[in-house]
Amino acid sequence: DSGVTQTPKHLITATGQRVTLRCSPRSGDLSVYWYQQSLDQGLQFLIQYYNGEERAKGNILERFSAQQFPDLHSELNLSSLELGDSALYFCASSSPGTYNEKLFFGSGTQLSVL
Amino acid sequence: DAKTTQPTSMDCAEGRAANLPCNHSTISGNEYVYWYRQIHSQGPQYIIHGLKNNETNEMASLIITEDRKSSTLILPHATLRDTAVYYCIVRPHAGGTSYGKLTFGQGTILTVHP
Repeated sequence: DSGVTQTPKHLITATGQRVTLRCSPRSGDLSVYWYQQSLDQGLQFLIQYYNGEERAKGNILERFSAQQFPDLHSELNLSSLELGDSALYFCASSSPGTYNEKLFFGSGTQLSVL
Repeated sequence: DAKTTQPTSMDCAEGRAANLPCNHSTISGNEYVYWYRQIHSQGPQYIIHGLKNNETNEMASLIITEDRKSSTLILPHATLRDTAVYYCIVRPHAGGTSYGKLTFGQGTILTVHP
């Protein structure tokens, strides 16, 4: 158990819909990262937040947005969903300021867009 | 971040050492070598990292060549549970509030056989 909690584990929805994925980082971790993993693209970095502020952006679509709340949990919002958005979405957290900055990943949310 | 090259797949007999190579010929002086693994559809798991000295922990050993252009991850006594995709990642050490994101390549699929 990494200590990172993601909900829900599975999500099935239809094209055009909007969903919200939730992530609770490890206790004390200030950084949250979102990754998307699909069969053809592998693990792709989407976005990073640190203590409520956006720190780095990767290959995140404009239809996707994220935020980190004062209690440090994070949500990834996916809207106008397309079939190609079906993927595993991972959240990770880390504790900047430590010498060994390791990322701890949650078990993911499997999104299926039908 | 420096690009890494890994074999697509490798096999190993249970109980034997698994040696996973990684080339990172464009690595720069401030970049570390990190290894993560992903067991079927689970979140990636940190294994080990190093700068220029060989490193060992309870999971594995990391051997980095003197010129730092390549490295080898060693699982000393592979078990069936070590079957996973192993990712070699090179990135600057992240500290403070800097950007700790990881860029994953395709990795090496390690299959441990009975």
